[in-house]
Amino acid sequence: GAVVSQHPSRVICKSGTSVKIECRSLDFQATTMFWYRQFPKQSLMLMATSNEGSKATYEQGVEKDKFLINHASLTLSTLTVTSAHPEDSSFYICSASGPGGVSELFFGEGSRLTVL
Amino acid sequence: AQSVTQPDIHITVSEGASLELRCNYSYGATPYLFWYVQSPGQGLQLLLKYFSGDTLVQGIKGFEAEFKRSQSSFNLRKPSVHWSDAAEYFCVIYNQGGKLIFGQGTELSVKP
Repeated sequence: GAVVSQHPSRVICKSGTSVKIECRSLDFQATTMFWYRQFPKQSLMLMATSNEGSKATYEQGVEKDKFLINHASLTLSTLTVTSAHPEDSSFYICSASGPGGVSELFFGEGSRLTVL
Repeated sequence: AQSVTQPDIHITVSEGASLELRCNYSYGATPYLFWYVQSPGQGLQLLLKYFSGDTLVQGIKGFEAEFKRSQSSFNLRKPSVHWSDAAEYFCVIYNQGGKLIFGQGTELSVKP
């Protein structure tokens, strides 16, 4: 079946640096990608929705300058956490949907970010 | 407002026992409903989904769920739980704005 791959699965960085997380759809064209954040023992919180070739739509309360999202192709979206701080440490999960919309929706394996 | 409620934060069952995880939703129309499972440190795996038609939905790993419009519920069931079923389970609704709304999650522990 379809697969959505995230890389890296784990990343540790120093405070003040920027980190990029990639989300790739491996065998289908992802017209829409979603980025979620998950705190320990909590549910997923939608951060932003991105459509290929256009600017991402951020949820209320999510800083667009802190969390840069790029969806440059139909198979790749990136989330860049800029000037990361310890409070940005979290589990970030992407999902991707194809032309079928919600009936063709798949999640990545997640990326664990730890900011020291 | 559209919402999903999973009343049980944590459930423990014995291996081989039956399981029911509760999910209630608030939505103005017939919703698209999903159950996902997440193992520790992992992404989400789709167990089953309901869009329309037969209200009893069969999923993977022996799970099933029943959509009950009158009760605004979509409870997940399994007749005999295996130790490998220990994980976090999320009930999810898809809203008209094209977004997934997640329940708070239910953590399942399985006793040997």
